[in-house]
Amino acid sequence: EAQVTQNPRYLITVTGKKLTVTCSQNMNHEYMSWYRQDPGLGLRQIYYSMNVEVTDKGDVPEGYKVSRKEKRNFPLILESPSPNQTSLYFCASSLDAYYEQYFGPGTRLTVT
Amino acid sequence: AQSVTQLDSQVPVFEEAPVELRCNYSSSVSVYLFWYVQYPNQGLQLLLKYLSGSTLVKGINGFEAEFNKSQTSFHLRKPSVHISDTAEYFCAVSDAGYGGSQGNLIFGKGTKLSVKP
Repeated sequence: EAQVTQNPRYLITVTGKKLTVTCSQNMNHEYMSWYRQDPGLGLRQIYYSMNVEVTDKGDVPEGYKVSRKEKRNFPLILESPSPNQTSLYFCASSLDAYYEQYFGPGTRLTVT
Repeated sequence: AQSVTQLDSQVPVFEEAPVELRCNYSSSVSVYLFWYVQYPNQGLQLLLKYLSGSTLVKGINGFEAEFNKSQTSFHLRKPSVHISDTAEYFCAVSDAGYGGSQGNLIFGKGTKLSVKP
């Protein structure tokens, strides 16, 4: 089954404790992206990757890092999480940047 | 740079009534347009898309949307809604790949459709 998977689905952590949210797709997509969703703000792009080893900042990159060492994986790293990073995070993938994106199920992160 | 405006943050409607969710965009280049749906506690799912061709686009679950270039709109419609259509709907735009731009997807802030019995 074609899908985007994210882990963990739910995470509660404390300020400053490094964490990684994994994202994997099995559709051989070139393009991958991370979004955060906050009430009343819709989805805002954090980082995206056009291809392996090619990443770039989206609209809200502060406090996040990403890497794209393999085509299928695109982990999101929070090196020192803060409470304002409490949010619902979605990973997405697409054939390329211009077409429909396939979304993962989301990761709900709470930073206390 | 593109932007997307969803004119209504919440739309309450009775079951079997028609509904229109409004979306306007701004862009200096040609665009691709999308509507996504998010059911409670789920990820986003593509409803329909406009890439080129006919301006009336049909999607899943009986939804359709019309691309109006002169009014820069892409409104979503359904002639008769069901309780199960209760969800949040997002309009999104990307540029059509011209001019060397990155073509990333820009989302509106969403419209919550609430269907009442």
